[in-house]
Amino acid sequence: DAGVTQSPTHLIKTRGQQVTLRCSPISGHKSVSWYQQVLGQGPQFIFQYYEKEERGRGNFPDRFSARQFPNYSSELNVNALLLGDSALYLCASSNHPSSYEQYFGPGTRLTVT
Amino acid sequence: QQPVQSPQAVILREGEDAVINCSSSKALYSVHWYRQKHGEAPVFLMILLKGGEQKGHDKISASFNEKKQQSSLYLTASQLSYSGTYFCGTEWTDFGNEKLTFGTGTRLTIIP
Repeated sequence: DAGVTQSPTHLIKTRGQQVTLRCSPISGHKSVSWYQQVLGQGPQFIFQYYEKEERGRGNFPDRFSARQFPNYSSELNVNALLLGDSALYLCASSNHPSSYEQYFGPGTRLTVT
Repeated sequence: QQPVQSPQAVILREGEDAVINCSSSKALYSVHWYRQKHGEAPVFLMILLKGGEQKGHDKISASFNEKKQQSSLYLTASQLSYSGTYFCGTEWTDFGNEKLTFGTGTRLTIIP
């Protein structure tokens, strides 16, 4: 079975622009979570969705938003990009409604210049 | 509050044992352990739940001390493949706003 997939792999944006990151969970998994990982640090929780409903939200500004589609894939949107948004964005899927046994995708490396 | 991991980094020779600790300032409901190799995504190792038993598979096991609000990961007879950064993730509630908070990580290097 295919693992969690994310697109694009790498992305370079300019300050003030908007970006959309995409994630496809493992087949059968209904829960998707998004994390931001800055170099040298652990992943920081952004959002979790289960059955298309938001189940959790981390301490991120309203510039960050997400949604989950009927096929359980998900998008993360970031508006008005700042230099500090440069990071690896990880998507994780699970067949549990909470954070149990998550499978991470390879991530999207976002660079804001 | 982010859980605190110790040590921050450790270098071991193949075959030696390692212990990685994860401490929380808040009462824990669950502790999750992940390993991330350089340039790769984190990989789930195990989860320990409040009131649950010590977990383990192969030569990697973990314990959860609810009173001390901490968990320890034990790597026995370490192999080269154990190298990577280990993260603990903690949850403080089992309902509502589920949120997994990761520690700063412990970098483990196994040398031949």
